[in-house]
Amino acid sequence: DGGITQSPKYLFRKEGQNVTLSCEQNLNHDAMYWYRQDPGQGLRLIYYSQIVNDFQKGDIAEGYSVSREKKESFPLTVTSAQKNPTAFYLCASSLQGAIPGANVLTFGAGSRLTVL
Amino acid sequence: SQQGEEDPQALSIQEGENATMNCSYKTSINNLQWYRQNSGRGLVHLILIRSNEREKHSGRLRVTLDTSKKSSSLLITASRAADTASYFCATPRNRDDKIIFGKGTRLHILP
Repeated sequence: DGGITQSPKYLFRKEGQNVTLSCEQNLNHDAMYWYRQDPGQGLRLIYYSQIVNDFQKGDIAEGYSVSREKKESFPLTVTSAQKNPTAFYLCASSLQGAIPGANVLTFGAGSRLTVL
Repeated sequence: SQQGEEDPQALSIQEGENATMNCSYKTSINNLQWYRQNSGRGLVHLILIRSNEREKHSGRLRVTLDTSKKSSSLLITASRAADTASYFCATPRNRDDKIIFGKGTRLHILP
């Protein structure tokens, strides 16, 4: 079955530590995204990548870093510079281009990060 | 900044009743999408309506779009317990075509 796999599902971190969240897709999608979700809030875009070896900052990129070395993988690192990292993190992917409906997102199951 | 805003923030109805959620957005769009999120899970795409469409159906879902009012509504008919979830509208942002989400409507179906 095609889909997006996020790991770990739950992660605990001490203040000052960096953590990396994994996101892998086998949908052959060009674009991948990271969103952050806080209680009572919608999803906010952290980073996105439209092609391998290229990515752009979203609306709340400070304190985060990403890489896109393979089409299938888009890991997110939450650095110690992120002041309030406790949140639910969602990875998504989509096709690209001018095809109608191409920007429909397929989501992973999410990773919940808690800073102790 | 948020592009779409859902209304109401929360909705509780009896099983079997219809549920209506609304979404307002700020700028012109080429399509509007609705997603569902079960508690603690990822979002699932429900339906996409293009700017030149006024109404679209998918099973028990009916979506309308009024571009003059910059609003959309999602109707779920004959609600079931399994419909309990949060529902989000989402629109592509003009400047970079990225999908921007509202804060969602939390729907609770009462047995």
